Amino acid sequence: GAVVSQHPSRVICKSGTSVKIECRSLDFQATTMFWYRQFPKQSLMLMATSNEGSKATYEQGVEKDKFLINHASLTLSTLTVTSAHPEDSSFYICSASLPPGDTQYFGPGTRLTVL
Amino acid sequence: GENVEQHPSTLSVQEGDSAVIKCTYSDSASNYFPWYKQELGKRPQLIIDIRSNVGEKKDQRIAVTLNKTAKHFSLHITETQPEDSAVYFCAASKGSNYKLTFGKGTLLTVNP
Repeated sequence: GAVVSQHPSRVICKSGTSVKIECRSLDFQATTMFWYRQFPKQSLMLMATSNEGSKATYEQGVEKDKFLINHASLTLSTLTVTSAHPEDSSFYICSASLPPGDTQYFGPGTRLTVL
Repeated sequence: GENVEQHPSTLSVQEGDSAVIKCTYSDSASNYFPWYKQELGKRPQLIIDIRSNVGEKKDQRIAVTLNKTAKHFSLHITETQPEDSAVYFCAASKGSNYKLTFGKGTLLTVNP
């Protein structure tokens, strides 16, 4: 149990385009999902907390208009990187909290490369 | 906000030796402390966690200790194997549906 999937696993796009990443909890319902970004050889940096049916809470320094988060159901959250630029190239990973508590399980990540 | 410090940043041991990774946290309200193992290009995998009402937890070769007074927790791996080589992250959280704050990671290398 506690499986989180993410799609796509890799995406290469041109500068200025938008990219959507999906995060799904496959065998449980997650009221809260989290989006992280990880640069090479660095730690995971939380971008935002996504709650089903409400607006996401963004961490300081993360542009909410650039990184659009939608948590429309208890099993799906999406992250859209709008007008992507080369500096947005990174490994984006989602996680979901397994109810009723605090344990977070991570998706396999999405490697975004912006040319 | 919470700040998690992790040491060492790199650790190299011989197969069969023990490895210890230490973390400190700043927010006394944190009550959940997971450890994740991440192999290159893969997702972080939960290997063990501890909550603030417990001082120690063990799962086969892996153990975690927590000192709430000192705001300090540690990961202990005994009888290390080459497949234990990975980056290990500690984290802290205030609990249910709350965000995790991660340490900077420890690259563990187990030499055969």
